[in-house]
Amino acid sequence: GAVVSQHPSWVICKSGTSVKIECRSLDFQATTMFWYRQFPKQSLMLMATSNEGSKATYEQGVEKDKFLINHASLTLSTLTVTSAHPEDSSFYICSARGGVGQDMNTEAFFGQGTRLTVV
Amino acid sequence: GESVGLHLPTLSVQEGDNSIINCAYSNSASDYFIWYKQESGKGPQFIIDIRSNMDKRQGQRVTVLLNKTVKHLSLQIAATQPGDSAVYFCAEGFQKLVFGTGTRLLVSP
Repeated sequence: GAVVSQHPSWVICKSGTSVKIECRSLDFQATTMFWYRQFPKQSLMLMATSNEGSKATYEQGVEKDKFLINHASLTLSTLTVTSAHPEDSSFYICSARGGVGQDMNTEAFFGQGTRLTVV
Repeated sequence: GESVGLHLPTLSVQEGDNSIINCAYSNSASDYFIWYKQESGKGPQFIIDIRSNMDKRQGQRVTVLLNKTVKHLSLQIAATQPGDSAVYFCAEGFQKLVFGTGTRLLVSP
């Protein structure tokens, strides 16, 4: 299957600082990327959906000013957690899918995830 | 609203047994479903998908069944192996991916 690379795999930051997480599709063009957050022993919670070249669509309850998403190219999307606080500590996972229009319903490929710890 | 849920949080089986993991969805407009496997500390891994114009789809050792009448799908794993131990999620994939609660599969040797 296609490869999605997420970086970094883990990061520790001080409260009040910002952290950027990168998600790259290595061998296909990702027209759509998804960002998820996962707490221990829980499911993946969709935070936002981003399409290349347009603004991300955030799920209800997700602060768009806190979780900045940029999808500037067909192979790269970034999630920036601004002014991070301990409650932002979590496992963040990106996903990418290619295809447009009738081909939108295709499998999505996931990155390895990023473990964020805010101290 | 959209929701995808699972019936059982944990399923324990013996090596060699067949495993069945169930999933219910509420959006009758859903037309694409995916099963993912997630190992601890890793991102989900694609297992198999099915579109709403199908009732059944088979892969290697896995079969997905879709019952649109009752909005239910299942994942069957044949001859379950210890390496199959993981958390399994179903996801509804129309336009965006919505994940279910997850079922932890424990395979004993």
